[in-house]
Amino acid sequence: QVQLQQWGAGLLKPSETLSRTCAVYGGSFSNYYWSWIRQPPGKGLEWIGEINHSGSTNYNPSLKRRVSISVDTSKNQFSLKLSSVTAADTAVYYCARVFGGAHRYEGHWGQGTLVTVSS
Amino acid sequence: EIVLTQSPATLSLSPGERATLSCRASQSVSTYLAWYQQKPGQAPRLLIYDASNRATGIPARFSGSGSGTDFTLTISSLEPEDFAIYYCQQRNNWPVTFGPGTKVDIK
Repeated sequence: QVQLQQWGAGLLKPSETLSRTCAVYGGSFSNYYWSWIRQPPGKGLEWIGEINHSGSTNYNPSLKRRVSISVDTSKNQFSLKLSSVTAADTAVYYCARVFGGAHRYEGHWGQGTLVTVSS
Repeated sequence: EIVLTQSPATLSLSPGERATLSCRASQSVSTYLAWYQQKPGQAPRLLIYDASNRATGIPARFSGSGSGTDFTLTISSLEPEDFAIYYCQQRNNWPVTFGPGTKVDIK
C-alpha cells in the first residue's frame, strides 16, 4: 500500500519560498506521475502541477512563474517550491500519486499539511 | 481554462435517500472527469474517474455518468459515512481544474 509523507516549513513570511518534499513509500515510483494540490482554509481545491520520474512537468499557468516541481528518483521523492509567497498562498498542501495515461487522475493522496504565510 | 460548475452547492438529505450531484463544464471535457469525496480534516478520495469508472474499493452505490459538458454523480442510498463534500475535476485540458464542490449534509 503506497504511503505519501510530506514535510517542510509550516510557517513562512511574505516573500519567502515555500518548500515541501513528499516521500513515497511502497509501490512503484517510476510508473506514475506525482502531483501537488492545495486547498485554502474553508475553500476548494487548486491543482498546482505534476511531475513524472523522468522530470517531465506540467504546471498551473496561474502559478507557473513562481512554481517549480522536481524529482529525486534515488530517494522516491518529489518536491515543490513556490517563490515569493503571500497570504494568498496559505493553504493545506497535498501531494498525490497520479495514475493513468494521457488523461490521469489523483488516485492516492497524502495527508495534507497546513502552510501559513504571515508576517 | 475550463470552469467547472457544481450544483447544488448544498444538498440536504436523509440516510437511505438518493443523492444526485451535477457538474457542468464550460466546454467539452469528453469523458475525462473525476469525482472526489472529502470529509472534514481528511484528504480527498477518488471515487469515479473517466466519468463512470469506480475507483478501487469504492462501493457500488456510487455511480457516475455523462460526457461532454454535463456530468452526474449518483449515490443510490446514502450511508452515514457519505455525508461529505464532493468535488468534480477535469483532466481533458490544461490546467487541471476542480469544481467548487457540493456539500451533502444530513437533513
